[in-house]
This record gives sequence, C-alpha cells and structure tokens, in this order.
Amino acid sequence: EAGVTQSPTHLIKTRGQQVTLRCSPISGHTSVYWYQQALGLGLQFLLWYDEGEERNRGNFPPRFSGRQFPNYSSELNVNALELEDSALYLCASSQTGEETQYFGPGTRLLVL
Amino acid sequence: KNEVEQSPQNLTAQEGEFITINCSYSVGISALHWLQQHPGGGIVSLFMLSSGKKKHGRLIATINIQEKHSSLHITASHPRDSAVYICAVLRGSQGNLIFGKGTKLSVKP
Repeated sequence: EAGVTQSPTHLIKTRGQQVTLRCSPISGHTSVYWYQQALGLGLQFLLWYDEGEERNRGNFPPRFSGRQFPNYSSELNVNALELEDSALYLCASSQTGEETQYFGPGTRLLVL
Repeated sequence: KNEVEQSPQNLTAQEGEFITINCSYSVGISALHWLQQHPGGGIVSLFMLSSGKKKHGRLIATINIQEKHSSLHITASHPRDSAVYICAVLRGSQGNLIFGKGTKLSVKP
C-alpha cells in the first residue's frame, strides 16, 4: 500500500511569489494535516482538512490556505512568499476517528 | 512555556548504551506520539500511546497520564538509531498534533 505522497520534493521561489504544494493521503484516509518545520524551529501545525472541510487552523496568517478535493488529496497554497516561509512542509493523513497520523516525505521550500 | 517539553535536547551515546528520552506535557490529551526524523527530513511514527507501555523491537515507550509524562527508551543503541526523536500530543477534538522541540540523538560506534 502506498504511503502519503507529496509533490514537489524541492522548490525554490522568490519573495512575493505564490506556491502550491500537493499531498495525496493513504488510500482510505479522509483527514489531511499540514505542518511546517522552519529551520531551527520545531514542527508547527498549519491546517487540518477532513471530508473536504477545513476543521482547524494553526496560528498562521491568511496567506496560508488550502483545500481538500473529493478524492481527499489536498493542496497548500502560500501567497506573497516571505523569506521566513523557507521550511520543510509536511503532510500527514489519518482515517477519520483514528489518532495515528502517517507522514509524507515533505516538500522543502526555499524562498530567496 | 511550551505545551510539550522534551529532555534532553541533545544526547550522545556509545553503541550499546541504554537511552531514555523524556517528554512532559501540560495539556489534556487523547494520545501521544513518538516520532523519528532522519537527516533527510522524513518522519516515521514509532508509537502512538494513550496509556501504559508499548514495545517494538529495541524501542519501548511508556506514558503516565496522571503525571503527564512519557518516556522513550532505546535498548542496545546502534549508530542507525541516530536521528531526532520528537514527542507530539494529540488534543482529540482539535485533530492536530502539538510537538516538542525534539531530541537529537547521536550514537557513536
């Protein structure tokens, strides 16, 4: 069974640009979580989607947004990129009601 | 004060040593995860605990809900155990994990 997949693996953008990151959950999982791990900082929660709806949001500005599609895959969009957005972005998935989250390999974003 | 505190922050051990990493949390939780992150960045979930103790190979995880404390033990440590170990708690209705800052473990041959 395939695990959580993310694309792209690496990305370089410049300040002010916009970026879209993608995540495909494990088959049968309906919840998708997005986390950010900035250099030197711990993991922080960004967004939680379940059954196509945003269920919870971390303490990030509105230029971080996303959506979940009917097939439960998800996109994370970041507008007006800033240097401090450089980070590893991790996606995780779980079955509704299950507490174990399975992580994807991450997308490493560098903002110049 | 962080809601999830880990200690130590860094740990260096000789191959074969018994290792303990501690995690304390200050919020009500529905479950606690121990995660392993290798230098490439990928994260693997080692354990998910809501009570008691779990064992997987050389790894043992325990949790004391009353004391809001969990420990991860590695027996007979090996250089391939070198990684960052992260404690994360799940606050049930909120869905998301809250993470400790991680413990960087280096096991020397």
